[in-house]
Amino acid sequence: GAGVSQSPSNKVTEKGKDVELRCDPISGHTALYWYRQSLGQGLEFLIYFQGNSAPDKSGLPSDRFSAERTGGSVSTLTIQRTQQEDSAVYLCASSPKPRVSVEQYFGPGTRLTVT
Amino acid sequence: AQSVTQPDIHITVSEGASLELRCNYSYGATPYLFWYVQSPGQGLQLLLKYFSGDTLVQGIKGFEAEFKRSQSSFNLRKPSVHWSDAAEYFCAVSPTSNTGKLIFGQGTTLQVKP
Repeated sequence: GAGVSQSPSNKVTEKGKDVELRCDPISGHTALYWYRQSLGQGLEFLIYFQGNSAPDKSGLPSDRFSAERTGGSVSTLTIQRTQQEDSAVYLCASSPKPRVSVEQYFGPGTRLTVT
Repeated sequence: AQSVTQPDIHITVSEGASLELRCNYSYGATPYLFWYVQSPGQGLQLLLKYFSGDTLVQGIKGFEAEFKRSQSSFNLRKPSVHWSDAAEYFCAVSPTSNTGKLIFGQGTTLQVKP
């Protein structure tokens, strides 16, 4: 079946502009995660959604970052007033249940470049 | 706070040689440990995981890893490397059992010489 999809695959934006990154999880997966992969920082957890529960936002690096998940499915990560240090690959993952024993399936990522 | 250290940023091995990638974690309790692989242009793929029980775990693609509590390590091994194993490898720990949130190491890039 279809895996996790992310769009766009690449995004180039000017410093100070807002960007939206989209994640379509695997159908039926209730847990959704965002991670960021950047040079020097490795892979960092950003935010986690589970059903109708309040999201775990503990990894968001600043208040310029926000995310929502509509209808328990598609998620959008928004970065306001982008900075050059926001340049990274943003990865989305989903899993059938929010349990560590359940595998997360990762999307191909969105490469964000801030000029 | 929980953390994961992969001491080797880059490793080169010859095809057919054995491989060991190191991973050390910092965590108070018994952690949930993972190894992921990221091939060029591909997403992250789970190789194997450890939760409890037998400290030697088998994964996909011929990989195995051994959990050593006394050394806080979870090293990944493969007896004979293939050229297709060239990729970036990430060790990860999950601090809780009921969210699945992952904390990753910095990654080790594996290059395979013919």
